[in-house]
Amino acid sequence: AQSVTQLDSHVSVSEGTPVLLRCNYSSSYSPSLFWYVQHPNKGLQLLLKYTSAATLVKGINGFEAEFKKSETSFHLTKPSAHMSDAAEYFCVVSAPSGTYKYIFGTGTRLKVLA
Amino acid sequence: GAVVSQHPSRVICKSGTSVKIECRSLDFQATTMFWYRQFPKKSLMLMATSNEGSKATYEQGVEKDKFLINHASLTLSTLTVTSAHPEDSSFYICSAPLGYEQYFGPGTRLTVT
Repeated sequence: AQSVTQLDSHVSVSEGTPVLLRCNYSSSYSPSLFWYVQHPNKGLQLLLKYTSAATLVKGINGFEAEFKKSETSFHLTKPSAHMSDAAEYFCVVSAPSGTYKYIFGTGTRLKVLA
Repeated sequence: GAVVSQHPSRVICKSGTSVKIECRSLDFQATTMFWYRQFPKKSLMLMATSNEGSKATYEQGVEKDKFLINHASLTLSTLTVTSAHPEDSSFYICSAPLGYEQYFGPGTRLTVT
């Protein structure tokens, strides 16, 4: 069975400082992994995805994530936080090929302090 | 890019009535769509898988008689919340897969008074 764990429910950073949102996954085979962002009362926006190509994945708005199989991690980072980055972030692992199901982490709320 | 729409974006209904939410894939066909429910400040919970031409598959604990799903065509799935109650108030999101990726609708905010 697959699962995904987001280690922090809330993260606060100051504007201009680095962001680290942690995600660990469990999967019995090579997974596809995603990070989504959700602003208040809005839908989900895909930040980036890993699908067994390069382990360092670059996404939109300066975000990137590194797939580390040995650590079963897929942490999301950004060198310098912006006020507009304040939102909820979800790490997602996909279910076996052919079923298309996504399994969502519990989410991390990012707060950016001025 | 692939676009999924939902209608309405926001709906308020009285307790005991039914409300229908539509999910459409605008520029691609989807034999499968997914319906999620999101409680305030919580993650998304998969409710059911909508299958074109066959019955929906519900996740454990989801009442299929309360949340009726119909996949009418290759671009349309509907979720009907029957005999709605205040505890059904939530944010409902649909998605449709294209390739190995899912595309999400913007969500529907349901408030039952």
